[in-house]
Amino acid sequence: TQLLEQSPQFLSIQEGENLTVYCNSSSVFSSLQWYRQEPGEGPVLLVTVVTGGEVKKLKRLTFQFGDARKDSSLHITAAQPGDTGLYLCAGVDNYGQNFVFGPGTRLSVLP
Amino acid sequence: NAGVTQTPKFRVLKTGQSMTLLCAQDMNHEYMYWYRQDPGMGLRLIHYSVGEGTTAKGEVPDGYNVSRLKKQNFLLGLESAAPSQTSVYFCASSYGTGPRYTFGSGTRLTVV
Repeated sequence: TQLLEQSPQFLSIQEGENLTVYCNSSSVFSSLQWYRQEPGEGPVLLVTVVTGGEVKKLKRLTFQFGDARKDSSLHITAAQPGDTGLYLCAGVDNYGQNFVFGPGTRLSVLP
Repeated sequence: NAGVTQTPKFRVLKTGQSMTLLCAQDMNHEYMYWYRQDPGMGLRLIHYSVGEGTTAKGEVPDGYNVSRLKKQNFLLGLESAAPSQTSVYFCASSYGTGPRYTFGSGTRLTVV
């Protein structure tokens, strides 16, 4: 079973600060996804990255897939209270067989 | 609005009771999934279905059964609930593998 680790587990910052959260594995993934989950709701897909080294931007969010396709990062610029939530990474293994979720990073942005 | 609908949203069961969670999607997705989410453990796959009439075991299937009699519905059953099944349950659907999942809003189940 492939394992996805996420760090930090918890992060509390002030509005306007920048932050980066990480998703790491010892296994190669054919693609990685990032989801955001708000309290009382299901996860919502933010982005999918499929190519090693790929960088995708979604407004103030920047997602990067590692060159070796074993890790990914999510950078948020000028965080806002609306960014508060649980950020989950999820990946499909290189055989397209298994889809696993990381445990998540819980982000709190204080006004 | 199109999406995945789960019922009920909350439920409290006594140990040994049974119940069925219903998931309905109106996106004509072939694949449907049941996950449980526990603190610090992420989402773990219970059972999934790749089409009407098919089901398969996921990572943590014990104590649960599922049925997919209609393409749009995926039912999760607990025959004899145990406190270890206290969790938040999410249903999701997708067109296929390499998934772009659409999740429901969850069912919070407490077994006392």
